[in-house]
Amino acid sequence: QLQLQESGPGLVKPSETLSLTCSVSGGSISSSTYYWAWVRQPPGKGLEWIGSIYYSGSTYYNPSLKSRVTISVDTSRTQFSLNLNSVTASDTALYYCARHHHNPSFDYWGQGTLVTVSS
Amino acid sequence: QSVLTQPPSVSAAPGQKVTISCSGSSSNIGNNYVSWYQQVPGTAPKLLIYDNNNRPSGIPDRFSGSKSGTSATLDITGLQTGDEADYYCGTWDSSLSGGHVFGTGTKVTVL
Repeated sequence: QLQLQESGPGLVKPSETLSLTCSVSGGSISSSTYYWAWVRQPPGKGLEWIGSIYYSGSTYYNPSLKSRVTISVDTSRTQFSLNLNSVTASDTALYYCARHHHNPSFDYWGQGTLVTVSS
Repeated sequence: QSVLTQPPSVSAAPGQKVTISCSGSSSNIGNNYVSWYQQVPGTAPKLLIYDNNNRPSGIPDRFSGSKSGTSATLDITGLQTGDEADYYCGTWDSSLSGGHVFGTGTKVTVL
């Protein structure tokens, strides 16, 4: 059974960089069928897609976050990572990593990790 | 601010049916597959429907999806207390400001 697990700091200071890693187990991160993504959910609000990466390293991002986001993949360690720079309080959210198909359905999700932006 | 609009809440008694709508446009629902997710409070979203009307393995047939034009619908029949959750639609938006998009979310309450 595929499992995804987010890890990283739960508290980030304003203007600094938020860095999270998603570890994938129980399946291959190098499959040509899937993409790997980050999705966030501010407290009490809806879901927002941040960006996605293919095992080859090809990426595409939410246009509203593109200038601040970098997603990378390390297939040897079966993990992918998120960097979001210049964070503000509005970036406080539950951050999920997820897998999706070429068609837009996200079929596996991590449990999520809460990141708070505060000094 | 999502480009996919859902009603904030729907409710019904156990055993009844609820319908959740998801309204979009030609740049998203009108030309792309729709998926639906269930999010029980405190847990990650769970895929209920993909490609408009297909259920992943393990999802009961009480959940069904459909799409017509620029709108999609999720039906839940035989409502159970365990169905109380937030539900989101999702699709791809091919506009310049698009990408993967999710609906505003609907809270289902079992009376």
